[in-house]
Amino acid sequence: AQRVTQPEKLLSVFKGAPVELKCNYSYSGSPELFWYVQYSRQRLQLLLRHISRESIKGFTADLNKGETSFHLKKPFAQEEDSAMYYCALSLVQGGKLIFGQGTELSVKP
Amino acid sequence: DTGVSQDPRHKITKRGQNVTFRCDPISEHNRLYWYRQTLGQGPEFLTYFQNEAQLEKSRLLSDRFSAERPKGSFSTLEIQRTEQGDSAMYLCASGGINNEQFFGPGTRLTVL
Repeated sequence: AQRVTQPEKLLSVFKGAPVELKCNYSYSGSPELFWYVQYSRQRLQLLLRHISRESIKGFTADLNKGETSFHLKKPFAQEEDSAMYYCALSLVQGGKLIFGQGTELSVKP
Repeated sequence: DTGVSQDPRHKITKRGQNVTFRCDPISEHNRLYWYRQTLGQGPEFLTYFQNEAQLEKSRLLSDRFSAERPKGSFSTLEIQRTEQGDSAMYLCASGGINNEQFFGPGTRLTVL
């Protein structure tokens, strides 16, 4: 079955430190990968998607089909990056999203 | 249109009661999704619609759950004979042409 794994439930870093949130998936085809973010008391929102290949709020993510990974990276973390981050995959255009368990990022001053 | 809305935001019910939640998607979106999220987990897919047609339903979804989208606009999710294990956040999302899903604020259900 298709699955998304985020191995870290909590990642704590200091402001200015690099951040990498890990995401691995299991699917033999060509899925579309997403990162969603949920800030405190806000709704889930799209951060970025692999097909757009853009940087949002300083975050980037590269799809590595060989390693079936889609890790989220930021070179210098900011306190406002503290949030829950969810990796998700979609198997078909317009289809359901399969989410990982989420990683809570805490950026300390 | 300020985005996806859900009603109610919170629902407390007693075990065995029926509950119904409503989702109003972004008006130009033809796809509507329901997910459930429990503490410490990511959202789990329940079902989705394209216009009024229910295209996929999770195999994990009990027969006590039913969803409708009668006119291809708003949707309702009904849970019959609620159980304590149904306590969760129920999320609705709508999707347009570019495969992005926009989420509502959720309805938090507590079954006593």
